[in-house]
Amino acid sequence: QKEVEQDPGPLSVPEGAIVSLNCTYSNSAFQYFMWYRQYSRKGPELLMYTYSSGNKEDGRFTAQVDKSSKYISLFIRDSQPSDSATYLCAMSPNTDKLIFGTGTRLQVFP
Amino acid sequence: GAVVSQHPSWVICKSGTSVKIECRSLDFQATTMFWYRQFPKQSLMLMATSNEGSKATYEQGVEKDKFLINHASLTLSTLTVTSAHPEDSSFYICSGFAPRNNQPQHFGDGTRLSIL
Repeated sequence: QKEVEQDPGPLSVPEGAIVSLNCTYSNSAFQYFMWYRQYSRKGPELLMYTYSSGNKEDGRFTAQVDKSSKYISLFIRDSQPSDSATYLCAMSPNTDKLIFGTGTRLQVFP
Repeated sequence: GAVVSQHPSWVICKSGTSVKIECRSLDFQATTMFWYRQFPKQSLMLMATSNEGSKATYEQGVEKDKFLINHASLTLSTLTVTSAHPEDSSFYICSGFAPRNNQPQHFGDGTRLSIL
């Protein structure tokens, strides 16, 4: 079993839809949780960064962490075609060495 | 803030040559830099961790003589792929990390390496 599980997709949604991306994990020592967005042939770009359980909102993006269920989510409201990318969850006990999910490919069509 | 610049973005070279990739933290001091490799439609695979002034720590299965890493300053790390062969063709990505900033890793834009 992988430490971090993420559905690879692809996930295809119409413009304006609410997108829900999820990861599950098995290591209870993880304390730091990140979501990165990666466009084709580019490096990952940090979207959201949370510590321990709870919610964090930034514009159209909301990150949720449920440590009791070992489950994290990223919600994208009012999705745009420019949101089409691969979304990687990543986590760590202490922010340095990250464990990545496989990434979910998202396509938002006009 | 927290910008990491990686150069070159794309390189094509003949089999047997060595290729150097640079990773610079532009607006922070990256005491730790990580080097990843990414195959098409796959996630990032950590190759090695480099701390400024120390030898790099390589992940299992990564040949340290093949992938030479130098982290001589707080803003620059280099990865040299020695005697490159077609199977070394891949997307290489670096990231910088400064524990004092309490911020996660910030990534460069990657280097696409193609060995003919």
